[in-house]
Amino acid sequence: RKEVEQDPGPFNVPEGATVAFNCTYSNSASQSFFWYRQDCRKEPKLLMSVYSSGNEDGRFTAQLNRASQYISLLIRDSKLSDSATYLCVVGVRGSSNTGKLIFGQGTTLQVKP
Amino acid sequence: NAGVMQNPRHLVRRRGQEARLRCSPMKGHSHVYWYRQLPEEGLKFMVYLQKENIIDESGMPKERFSAEFPKEGPSILRIQQVVRGDSAAYFCASSRWTEQYFGPGTRLTVT
Repeated sequence: RKEVEQDPGPFNVPEGATVAFNCTYSNSASQSFFWYRQDCRKEPKLLMSVYSSGNEDGRFTAQLNRASQYISLLIRDSKLSDSATYLCVVGVRGSSNTGKLIFGQGTTLQVKP
Repeated sequence: NAGVMQNPRHLVRRRGQEARLRCSPMKGHSHVYWYRQLPEEGLKFMVYLQKENIIDESGMPKERFSAEFPKEGPSILRIQQVVRGDSAAYFCASSRWTEQYFGPGTRLTVT
């Protein structure tokens, strides 16, 4: 079983649609949670950190459920520029305050005009 | 504030040669991480370093791969005697605390 699992998609949606991505993780020692986006296998760009209280940044809302080990990302009013691969990422802290990131395989979003 | 810098952006090596990949972290960041993305696969953690220390190398292949982050200068990922299976994108990330920011990557092609 993969440590971080995502539906690979692709998700094909029209402009203006609302789309939701889900992700589960298996390591209960995971300490930090993120969504990154990756365009055409360029470098991953941090979209947002995810907290148990949920957080929102413009059209993007992320939620974390630690009990279910489940992370979600909601994109409202999709734009053509949102087309990318969305990576669910979990941070595993070692003896120091920071640690390695475990990446999901990514969910591909294609927004059509 | 410049982002994470990596060079070279593209590197071609013949089987058996050595590859050296360099990474300069963002200003003020003391943590450096290396990840590898094989064709058609996700990113996989390789190694985590702070200045002059390897903190976690659990993702590094046992042979041919090494990493350092000296007191002065960039972090170096070194691959000796490269093989075709080493062809991949190698990304470096840096952080001050928890959030990691990625460089543009080095695309290694082994012919």
